[in-house]
Amino acid sequence: QSVLTQPPSVSAAPGQKVTISCSGSSSNIGNNYVSWYQQLPGTAPKLLIYENNKRPSGIPDRFSGSKSGTSATLGITGLQTGDEADYYCGTWDSSLSAFNWVFGGGTKLTVL
Amino acid sequence: QVQLVQSGAEVKKPGASVKVSCKVSGYTLTELSMHWVRQAPGKGLEWMGGFDPEDGETIYAQKFQGRVTMTEDTSTDTAYMELSSLRSEDTAVYYCATGEPYGSGSNFDYWGQGTLVTVSS
Repeated sequence: QSVLTQPPSVSAAPGQKVTISCSGSSSNIGNNYVSWYQQLPGTAPKLLIYENNKRPSGIPDRFSGSKSGTSATLGITGLQTGDEADYYCGTWDSSLSAFNWVFGGGTKLTVL
Repeated sequence: QVQLVQSGAEVKKPGASVKVSCKVSGYTLTELSMHWVRQAPGKGLEWMGGFDPEDGETIYAQKFQGRVTMTEDTSTDTAYMELSSLRSEDTAVYYCATGEPYGSGSNFDYWGQGTLVTVSS
């Protein structure tokens, strides 16, 4: 059971838009930056979004991030078959009297 | 640009220990805060621990405390993660990961390629 809750799967057609939610609490998302990672099959995770809504160099603007209260959202527009991957949110958490990094359970994106 | 290159796959018996290395290039290890993340087959990402630059100590996830040791050799810019008392549930791909040098510590910009550790009798 992950501290951050993500939907197990989402799907949409090529060219469409999809959003992936990440729900947490005041001990994690509510008081810390959120980052998002894309993991293509058989590869290491790749940073997509950092500090809630910033994109690293080389990440297309089809990917966007937002945060409100204790939830964060990853948006992907103009879906491409190459976007099929697992997506994870992550942030620091201080609920166990110590700081721990936590990831969401991951969301599998299918581009139909 | 930071590059992280990990050691090769390992097969261990239950009860044994494994030590995975992560060689840094592009920057020195002292400029980075190295973390370790693992992923069991078909499962999600799980943070194991990492360096906290604010107090200069390594912090471990409670789940692994007493069983994991993360060390660094600054002379070779190589980070190590040793996990002891291995059991079948420790079968996973282990990644080293870090943020930008002197960064906010709020994300993992760079990842190693992963090291598969298989625990089997």
